Amino acid sequence: AQSVTQLGSHVSVSEGALVLLRCNYSSSVPPYLFWYVQYPNQGLQLLLKYTSAATLVKGINGFEAEFKKSETSFHLTKPSAHMSDAAEYFCAVSGGSNYKLTFGKGTLLTVNP
Amino acid sequence: DADVTQTPRNRITKTGKRIMLECSQTKGHDRMYWYRQDPGLGLRLIYYSFDVKDINKGEISDGYSVSRQAQAKFSLSLESAIPNQTALYFCATSDFTDGTDTQYFGPGTRLTVL
Repeated sequence: AQSVTQLGSHVSVSEGALVLLRCNYSSSVPPYLFWYVQYPNQGLQLLLKYTSAATLVKGINGFEAEFKKSETSFHLTKPSAHMSDAAEYFCAVSGGSNYKLTFGKGTLLTVNP
Repeated sequence: DADVTQTPRNRITKTGKRIMLECSQTKGHDRMYWYRQDPGLGLRLIYYSFDVKDINKGEISDGYSVSRQAQAKFSLSLESAIPNQTALYFCATSDFTDGTDTQYFGPGTRLTVL
């Protein structure tokens, strides 16, 4: 069984501040981990993914995430928030050949001017 | 052009009506999925298909059916729509040959059942 917990359904930051969105997972097999972003009235766009290569993964738009096995975490960060980062962010886990992609409930990021 | 397209993008219907949502992809992927998104619940898997002859139920398949007409087309039907099927529906595709089965999503269909 696998699951994802995203801490904080809503995160609010000021423009230029650090963005930190938290994701913890559980998986009975070595996981693949994903972050997706959903802008208003759009579908989900892949932001980055962890596939057991480097533990620090860089994605699009300046985002990165670090896989920490000991903490079962895959937190998403960006050093400096931009207004265009306002969106909903979803963390997801899959267990290798297991088809099933399990999503967290999402974190809505608000960026204040 | 978008790799995964969904039609219609918005639909309002009445209780008891039959509705079909369509998904097409040009990514050449074998695997296709249907999800629904509800506020605060994330995405939940309705059905998935690993190839044209393979159809599987997801975690919330009751009240839904699917048809895989070709590698590139996967349709979702609501035989008799009910108000609690009001949601945002997403189609996705994936290609396990990259080893990660990364899923790519369409733009979504917003369905309202009155």
